[in-house]
Amino acid sequence: VIWMTQSPSLLSASTGDRVTISCRMSQGISSYLAWYQQKPGKAPELLIYAASTLQSGVPSRFSGSGSGTDFTLTISCLQSEDFATYYCQQYYSFPRTFGQGTKVEIK
Amino acid sequence: QVQLQESGPGLVKPSQTLSLTCTVSGGSISSGSYYWSWIRQPAGKGLEWIGRIYTSGSTNYNPSLKSRVTISVDTSKNQFSLKLSSVTAADTAVYYCAREPYGYNLDYWGQGTLVTVSS
Repeated sequence: VIWMTQSPSLLSASTGDRVTISCRMSQGISSYLAWYQQKPGKAPELLIYAASTLQSGVPSRFSGSGSGTDFTLTISCLQSEDFATYYCQQYYSFPRTFGQGTKVEIK
Repeated sequence: QVQLQESGPGLVKPSQTLSLTCTVSGGSISSGSYYWSWIRQPAGKGLEWIGRIYTSGSTNYNPSLKSRVTISVDTSKNQFSLKLSSVTAADTAVYYCAREPYGYNLDYWGQGTLVTVSS
C-alpha cells in the first residue's frame, strides 16, 4: 500500500492569496497523481491529473507539479469559490489511495 | 456529457449486505477504455477507494475490503453494482460511483448516496 501524507490539513487564507498544498508518497509513483476539489455535500471534482495536467474546464489559477514522491497543488490567486477541501490521489498501484485532505478556509 | 447516479437502500441492518447500483447515462458503459469504480466517505472523513470493474468483468478490490466486496457490471442496463457483505456501523458512509478513464484518475462522479448501517 502506498501511504500519502497531505499537508497542511487546514489552511486559512484570504481571497487573492497564493496557496500551496503538499502531497508526499511513501514510495515513488512517477506522475500518477490526481488532485480533486470537494465542496460540502458534493462529490469530488477532478482538477489535475498526471501530476500537472489541468482537467478541461478547470481555471488556470490551479496548477500541479512534482513527480516521484513529492507533489504540490498551487492556487495562484484564491477566489471565493475555491474555499473547499482538496485531496490528492495516487493511481500508480493498487489499492488506489487518497491523501487525508486539506481544508482551505477563509481567514 | 456522462452522468452517473447511485441508487439503493439508505439503511442497512448490521450483518446484512449493502447493495448499490450506479446507472450511467450519456454514453455506453462499454464504449472506450473505462473502468468503473466505487469510493466511499464516512461523515467528516476522507475518501476510501473500494474497487473497480472493467466491462469485461475484470475487477480490482481494496485488500482491506476484498473479502466482503463484489462489484459487477450489467452492460445491457448500462449499470454497475456494489455488494458489501457483513456490514457494521463502520461501513456507514456516502458511497460514490465514478468513471476511471484508461485506469487512471476519476473524471466523472455520481452525486453520492448515504448508506447508514443501523438496526
